[in-house]
Amino acid sequence: RKEVEQDPGPFNVPEGATVAFNCTYSNSASQSFFWYRQDCRKEPKLLMSVYSSGNEDGRFTAQLNRASQYISLLIRDSKLSDSATYLCVGYTGGFKTIFGAGTRLFVKA
Amino acid sequence: DAGVIQSPRHEVTEMGQEVTLRCKPISGHNSLFWYRQTMMRGLELLIYFNNNVPIDDSGMPEDRFSAKMPNASFSTLKIQPSEPRDSAVYFCASSRLDEQYFGPGTRLTVT
Repeated sequence: RKEVEQDPGPFNVPEGATVAFNCTYSNSASQSFFWYRQDCRKEPKLLMSVYSSGNEDGRFTAQLNRASQYISLLIRDSKLSDSATYLCVGYTGGFKTIFGAGTRLFVKA
Repeated sequence: DAGVIQSPRHEVTEMGQEVTLRCKPISGHNSLFWYRQTMMRGLELLIYFNNNVPIDDSGMPEDRFSAKMPNASFSTLKIQPSEPRDSAVYFCASSRLDEQYFGPGTRLTVT
């Protein structure tokens, strides 16, 4: 089993839709989590950190469920520009980071 | 502020040649990471440094790969000899705490 697993998608949604991604992790020692966004042929860019209490930034909400060992990303009012691959990342102290394989999102007009 | 700088952005080389990829981390960041990304394997962590010291190189695929960080502002990833299966995008990232910031990557093609 991979340490960080994501549904690869693709998720195809219309503009204005709400879409949610989940990411499961197997290492209970993982200390912190992040969501990154990667556009085609570009580098991953940090989208947001994930805290136990949840984290909201505009249309984006990230949550962590330690009991079930998953993190989620919710995107409200999807825009065409949200089309990208979303990577979840677990950080297990000692600078060890594990990236999920990514979930592809296509937002259509 | 300048982000992570990588060079070259594209490299095409023939099998057997030596390849050197370069990275300048964000000033003030004390950790540096080298990743490789392919369609088949996704984003893989190759090696990371903290305060210029290699901490974990377990992700380095073979002895043909080596990485150095002679000072806080420069790191290299070397492949010698290169093989076609090394073709990938190689990213360098740096961090001060646990949030990593990536460079634009080097797209390597080995023919």
